[in-house]
Parts: sequence; C-alpha cells; structure tokens
Amino acid sequence: GAGVSQSPSNKVTEKGKDVELRCDPISGHTALYWYRQSLGQGLEFLIYFQGNSAPDKSGLPSDRFSAERTGGSVSTLTIQRTQQEDSAVYLCASRLPGSSYNEQFFGPGTRLTVL
Amino acid sequence: DQQVKQNSPSLSVQEGRISILNCDYTNSMFDYFLWYKKYPAEGPTFLISISSIKDKNEDGRFTVFLNKSAKHLSLHIVPSQPGDSAVYFCAASGRGSQGNLIFGKGTKLSVKP
Repeated sequence: GAGVSQSPSNKVTEKGKDVELRCDPISGHTALYWYRQSLGQGLEFLIYFQGNSAPDKSGLPSDRFSAERTGGSVSTLTIQRTQQEDSAVYLCASRLPGSSYNEQFFGPGTRLTVL
Repeated sequence: DQQVKQNSPSLSVQEGRISILNCDYTNSMFDYFLWYKKYPAEGPTFLISISSIKDKNEDGRFTVFLNKSAKHLSLHIVPSQPGDSAVYFCAASGRGSQGNLIFGKGTKLSVKP
C-alpha cells in the first residue's frame, strides 16, 4: 500500500499476557518510529530506528517493552506481561531520508486494551 | 514536564470564520515545529511545518506563525470548514530533521455549519 500500515487494528488481551504489534512503513522510508497515545494525552515517543544504526530506545517506559526492525523494513513492538496502564493506541510512523522538517507519516494505529 | 503545551483542549468556531490554535514550548533549541490533524480512529496526518528561523509559513487556508521570543506558535485556518473538525496536535523536533517529535496534548476543533 501507499501508506504506513499497522496490524492488528484492535487487540484485547488479559493482564500478564504478551502482545506483538506490527508496523509496515512506507517503502523507501529508512526512519521508523513508535509512539503511543493514552486517553486524553498527546503522543508519547517510544523508540526510533534509523537505517542500520542502533535504535534510540530512550522512550520505552519499562523493560517489558521491546521492538525490532527486520531487514530495515517491518517492525514489531512487543509488550511482555501486559499491565492495564499499557492500554493505549500504539502508532507507528516512518520518514523519508533527507526530509526537510522531520515530517513523519503515521499509520492508523493499534488500539490495545488490557483487561 | 511538558515541553510542548496546548492549553486549550477544545475550540468551537463558525464555518467561514478564522480558527486559531495555539501552542507554547519551553525548549528554545527546537529546530522545527509541525502541526498534525487527527480524525477519530485514524493516525495523525501532517498538515504544515515551520523552521525555527522563519516566523511564518503559509499553505492554502493554513498559516503557521512562530514567535520565538515568546516561545509560541499558532495555526490559523481561514476560512474554516466543517471538514476541518478534528484534533490538532502541535509537535516540535529537537534534533534537526531527525529523531522523535515531541507532541502537545492536542486541541479539538469543531467547525459548526
């Protein structure tokens, strides 16, 4: 597709279970970001991948959160032992190399509900 | 501590009038500022941006103004249309054209016919 895609669109899980969220960035976009938006809040940065460089993990809220990017394209965000406070919309974004203003293009998000 | 603040959670304007959305920031080292628009159940869509070395950028009905001394920017939409009804997020980029964006909490704009 032409845009960033994410799957699943919705995920309901029980507290303590692990979840995996997937992001397919726009083809040719070397930078990939994960953010999350909790109810009534702005977007909170989680992790940033740029090409083959080590990812910037400075936004991950705990060691239960991890992410991988395979082959410089698809990324998976994994949350282990989910907690109710992990409930949020998880958004993925990608960016063209050399973009002037750091314009990031977002996917539709995955709504995660932890019961 | 919030580095990007949108102090108005909501704004209601009449169709055809001007909408003004405000944003304040605390870090004078931000390089770029961006506005995103978000409809329910969709991801944010890039709208317009401005470099910290400019004070105005215009794109059709949308104009962004930057006042560096006041650490304040605003998005003007004129004329406002019902289809502009959405949540608008202000964002700042602190590492040039790379790195993560720092977002405000958003302002919900309602344009009434």
